[in-house]
Amino acid sequence: GAGVSQSPRYKVAKRGQDVALRCDPISGHVSLFWYQQALGQGPEFLTYFQNEAQLDKSGLPSDRFFAERPEGSVSTLKIQRTQQEDSAVYLCASSPREYNEQFFGPGTRLTVL
Amino acid sequence: QKEVEQNSGPLSVPEGAIASLNCTYSDRGSQSFFWYRQYSGKSPELIMFIYSNGDKEDGRFTAQLNKASQYVSLLIRDSQPSDSATYLCAVNPGYNAGNMLTFGGGTRLMVKP
Repeated sequence: GAGVSQSPRYKVAKRGQDVALRCDPISGHVSLFWYQQALGQGPEFLTYFQNEAQLDKSGLPSDRFFAERPEGSVSTLKIQRTQQEDSAVYLCASSPREYNEQFFGPGTRLTVL
Repeated sequence: QKEVEQNSGPLSVPEGAIASLNCTYSDRGSQSFFWYRQYSGKSPELIMFIYSNGDKEDGRFTAQLNKASQYVSLLIRDSQPSDSATYLCAVNPGYNAGNMLTFGGGTRLMVKP
């Protein structure tokens, strides 16, 4: 079946612009995660949803970062007033109810100029 | 000190040899452990997971876990040039879905023909 999909795959923003990154998880997957991966480093946790409930947002680096999953399926990560340090690959992962292996989407590479 | 430590490499092995990738973690209560492979410019791909002490084999891959030593490793037998990638170790505090993964920085593996 289809895997996790993310859009856009690449985004270039000018410093100060707002951006919205979309994630479509694997159908039926209850859990959805957002991670940030800087160049040459491992992914770092941002936030987690179970269905539509955001149960953990401890990894969001500032209040400029906001995520939602209103209907328990598609999720959007929004970054307001982007800064150069926000440049990274943003990865979305989902996992089913029964077990905790997480499957990653292709990521969105954000470049802030 | 990072919670999950990996040697960044590169680890260079000849084709057909065994590649040994190592990972240590600091949270003694961690319960489940994952190995992801990440090709350059791509997203992490799940290779194996292990929950119990000992070895778990899947084809050319063997994961080894020693919770007392807080150590997990991945062995790749009969290494192929197509195995050249960055290998990420990830640790989950529990067994249940909904727990974030904490990643190491990854080890870059190079398999030379």
